[in-house]
Amino acid sequence: QKEVEQDPGPLSVPEGAIVSLNCTYSNSAFQYFMWYRQYSRKGPELLMYTYSSGNKEDGRFTAQVDKSSKYISLFIRDSQPSDSATYLCAMSVIQGAQKLVFGQGTRLTINP
Amino acid sequence: EPEVTQTPSHQVTQMGQEVILRCVPISNHLYFYWYRQILGQKVEFLVSFYNNEISEKSEIFDDQFSVERPDGSNFTLKIRSTKLEDSAMYFCASSMDSKETQYFGPGTRLLVL
Repeated sequence: QKEVEQDPGPLSVPEGAIVSLNCTYSNSAFQYFMWYRQYSRKGPELLMYTYSSGNKEDGRFTAQVDKSSKYISLFIRDSQPSDSATYLCAMSVIQGAQKLVFGQGTRLTINP
Repeated sequence: EPEVTQTPSHQVTQMGQEVILRCVPISNHLYFYWYRQILGQKVEFLVSFYNNEISEKSEIFDDQFSVERPDGSNFTLKIRSTKLEDSAMYFCASSMDSKETQYFGPGTRLLVL
């Protein structure tokens, strides 16, 4: 079983739709959960960061973590064409230096 | 806003040649990282670096790879004898401390022929 699994998509939705992106993981030692956005030929850019189960909201973005199910989600409300990118989930355990373990990335397109 | 920078943006090299990829982390950050992303695959951790030594390295980071902080601003990744399979996007990242957010640079696209 892969450490972090993420549906690579591609996912295409109309502008204004609610988008749900998901990752599952197998390593129960993961304590930190992140969502990065990556535009084509650019580096990953941090969107959301959380270390507890539950929801965390930031504007149109909501990150959800369910440690009991080893499942994390990112919801995007009122999606915009500028949200079109690849979304990467990433996780790490608590240790001296954070080694991030990434999912495959989901390619998202928001159609005007 | 401070950002991580990387040079060159693209590098083409012949198999067996040495390459050095350069990064300038955010100035007050103390932890430095290299990741790579082979086309169509996941971003993979290579190495973390703190206090002038390697904190952790992955299985990918074998004897062909080395990292260095030659001065107070640069952080480099050297591949001694490149292989075809080293072709990838290489990302540098830095963070204030081990539990803080990692900020990524724009990457260096390495092509080994």
